[in-house]
Amino acid sequence: DAKTTQPTSMDCAEGRAANLPCNHSTISGNEYVYWYRQIHSQGPQYIIHGLKNNETNEMASLIITEDRKSSTLILPHATLRDTAVYYCIGAYSGGGADGLTFGKGTHLIIQP
Amino acid sequence: NAGVTQTPKFQVLKTGQSMTLQCAQDMNHNSMYWYRQDPGMGLRLIYYSASEGTTDKGEVPNGYNVSRLNKREFSLRLESAAPSQTSVYFCASSLMTGYFNYGYTFGSGTRLTVV
Repeated sequence: DAKTTQPTSMDCAEGRAANLPCNHSTISGNEYVYWYRQIHSQGPQYIIHGLKNNETNEMASLIITEDRKSSTLILPHATLRDTAVYYCIGAYSGGGADGLTFGKGTHLIIQP
Repeated sequence: NAGVTQTPKFQVLKTGQSMTLQCAQDMNHNSMYWYRQDPGMGLRLIYYSASEGTTDKGEVPNGYNVSRLNKREFSLRLESAAPSQTSVYFCASSLMTGYFNYGYTFGSGTRLTVV
């Protein structure tokens, strides 16, 4: 799986868009970018994933650069409940059939 | 609600005791996983089962055994607990169709303390 790099922590004001960056310069052509989040003490929650095109669902949007070396997860209107650790993971589409590799992620703190 | 159920939620063991962590999913997922999470660290994969009848080691399998009892259930056993196994354990499941994974669903975790 591709190595990903994320900032350790970020702040965002409630009601604003939260933009979480992720670098994955070694990602291969058929590896997807997955995003999960973990709210304190809970199990991680799947958010979104993408390959080349930008993706949107009810939780977030995923913007992937054309060269696929980086991506941004966007939470359009952040609320206090979005405070969590966000994990960016590169994995093959089968992926991980043999287990996803979670790094330390970005601790996003939504400020009131 | 449909999802992944882990039992127990909390457990304290003495060094050398054994126990089994239970995990069941009702989403007809074919793949299941056990992770551990230590303070300030990401999740580390212990064992996984890509499909019923198969199990494989992950990153940190030492001191653990697993059983994929059926499609729904995947248990994790500590034969002789050690303080280093104090951690939060998460079970997850996922749907694999062909060669595509639709994302993991995690349980709420088991908080294990070994004294």
